[in-house]
Amino acid sequence: NAGVTQTPKFRVLKTGQSMTLLCAQDMNHEYMYWYRQDPGMGLRLIHYSVGEGTTAKGEVPDGYNVSRLKKQNFLLGLESAAPSQTSVYFCASSYSTDNQPQHFGDGTRLSIL
Amino acid sequence: SQKIEQNSEALNIQEGKTATLTCNYTNYSPAYLQWYRQDPGRGPVFLLLIRENEKEKRKERLKVTFDTTLKQSLFHITASQPADSATYLCAPYADKLIFGTGTRLQVFP
Repeated sequence: NAGVTQTPKFRVLKTGQSMTLLCAQDMNHEYMYWYRQDPGMGLRLIHYSVGEGTTAKGEVPDGYNVSRLKKQNFLLGLESAAPSQTSVYFCASSYSTDNQPQHFGDGTRLSIL
Repeated sequence: SQKIEQNSEALNIQEGKTATLTCNYTNYSPAYLQWYRQDPGRGPVFLLLIRENEKEKRKERLKVTFDTTLKQSLFHITASQPADSATYLCAPYADKLIFGTGTRLQVFP
């Protein structure tokens, strides 16, 4: 049972480049989330999804887009990377939002030069 | 605005002692609160959930309290071990889960 898998684990981009981060979960969870974690800032929600085909903005959505074409996958896109997007990105999933824990992947470490 | 405070300074304790971590929140009333453990280079792992109508929750050597009057949760690890060394995050939930910055615990032999 893999849980939540994120690819890639590391990536270095140049300013202006684009890329997509992939998150896959095998727990049949309805809810999926993308966070970024920066020193001294804690986890901040970028976008989330309450089910296949749905997405919604979180606390810091600017500069990111997401898609949830399949229930098990949640993609995070950076159309034109900026140095301010250098961070560690975590994907999580949960059965629901009511009294349910979130299950996290091990993150993607992204550096924008 | 909603705010969560966890001690940003590392907590260093000796093996066998009880570690107590504090989570304070302001400007909202969470329906429940979760605690997570995060190891370096890994994602957070869920530990415990406590609801607003529960004063205390236990799981093995872990104990969590939730005081809605003080707007505070305490996380205790009894008989601490070096393997308990990690960063611990609290996450109160109102209409969404908001994570604190975490407190790093270091247990030395």
